[in-house]
Amino acid sequence: DQQVKQNSPSLSVQEGRISILNCDYTNSMFDYFLWYKKYPAEGPTFLISISSIKDKNEDGRFTVFLNKSAKHLSLHIVPSQPGDSAVYFCAATELTGNQFYFGTGTSLTVIP
Amino acid sequence: EAQVTQNPRYLITVTGKKLTVTCSQNMNHEYMSWYRQDPGLGLRQIYYSMNVEVTDKGDVPEGYKVSRKEKRNFPLILESPSPNQTSLYFCASSTFQGWTEAFFGQGTRLTVV
Repeated sequence: DQQVKQNSPSLSVQEGRISILNCDYTNSMFDYFLWYKKYPAEGPTFLISISSIKDKNEDGRFTVFLNKSAKHLSLHIVPSQPGDSAVYFCAATELTGNQFYFGTGTSLTVIP
Repeated sequence: EAQVTQNPRYLITVTGKKLTVTCSQNMNHEYMSWYRQDPGLGLRQIYYSMNVEVTDKGDVPEGYKVSRKEKRNFPLILESPSPNQTSLYFCASSTFQGWTEAFFGQGTRLTVV
């Protein structure tokens, strides 16, 4: 059973606008969350993370929001750029655990 | 340059023929893991290793073996590959545990016919 879900397989956004990628999880024990970006023919690369003691973390154009009661996190990219076109994976883990659980990915296309 | 190196990048093999995919990292990371990526299923963890001689099963370990004899290397072994193991495989490493950012290799595209 998928413990981390990304219900939107794809998303298209105009350049300069905001991209919002969503992720839901079912395991209330998860307390650390990460976003990875993946270009074709490359491995995923780390983008941003958040621990459950926070509800927001920013890094430049990227902001991750965490809503623990809803078991939901989102990644906001503002402004979106064509180079942001990639597949985005969210991942979750327990701070006391050793396993990673990834979502199915959302393919973002930023239209120039 | 910090990197995780997987070999081979592409492999076509026949059912039942044992194969090994190698993974090496140069960052002195304790934690290493293997994932497979399949359409509609995302990345799923196969095995992970906390340190030398310490390995454990992830979500989908059936049909795979691993070993961690040296800190830098974490090979993935398919003793008797089957067509349902056709997938894109990634090796990753990180410091301490998985809740720090992981560095991924470029992937190995495996086809079992």
